[in-house]
Amino acid sequence: SQTIHQWPATLVQPVGSPLSLECTVEGTSNPNLYWYRQAAGRGLQLLFYSVGIGQISSEVPQNLSASRPQDRQFILSSKKLLLSDSGFYLCAFPTGAGVSGEQFFGPGTRLTVL
Amino acid sequence: GENVEQHPSTLSVQEGDSAVIKCTYSDSASNYFPWYKQELGKRPQLIIDIRSNVGEKKDQRIAVTLNKTAKHFSLHITETQPEDSAVYFCAANSNSGYALNFGKGTSLLVTP
Repeated sequence: SQTIHQWPATLVQPVGSPLSLECTVEGTSNPNLYWYRQAAGRGLQLLFYSVGIGQISSEVPQNLSASRPQDRQFILSSKKLLLSDSGFYLCAFPTGAGVSGEQFFGPGTRLTVL
Repeated sequence: GENVEQHPSTLSVQEGDSAVIKCTYSDSASNYFPWYKQELGKRPQLIIDIRSNVGEKKDQRIAVTLNKTAKHFSLHITETQPEDSAVYFCAANSNSGYALNFGKGTSLLVTP
């Protein structure tokens, strides 16, 4: 079965510190992978997507970056966190037939920047 | 990405009443429209979806309607129950790697 893992589940970091969030998927091969951010009381904003190893597309200019070192691994990073980086970070991949369909979300990482 | 507008932002209904949430989208190429339910602190979970070749889809107490000409789609929940209380998001697919553009969400409260 298809599963998706994210860690850590929660994180509290000071402003200016680095960040590394990890997402891994199981039960699927060569999936499109996505990073979304949900700010408090807001909708989900697409940050990055990847269609394959080493391929990253950025949707929103910011101080975050993403990498895909392996087929089933997607990493979100920052060299220096800002207060505005606080939020709920969700990794997702498409399930079902084709790529244009349901996206299944991981459990998320709740990041608080102080 | 393309815009998806969602209304209302909050909705309060009494148990047993119906709830309707409406969304509009701008990308005429969108052909997939899912609805997600997010409970507090949890991940969004798909509750129903519709593709552009269908005008309406129903699954027990929930239904979605789509008007492609007008570029709007709606979620209908009948006989609401307190456990329906959550934030609901509509979305439309985009050409950004087949990602989804989400509305800002509707916080639904069903009071007993």
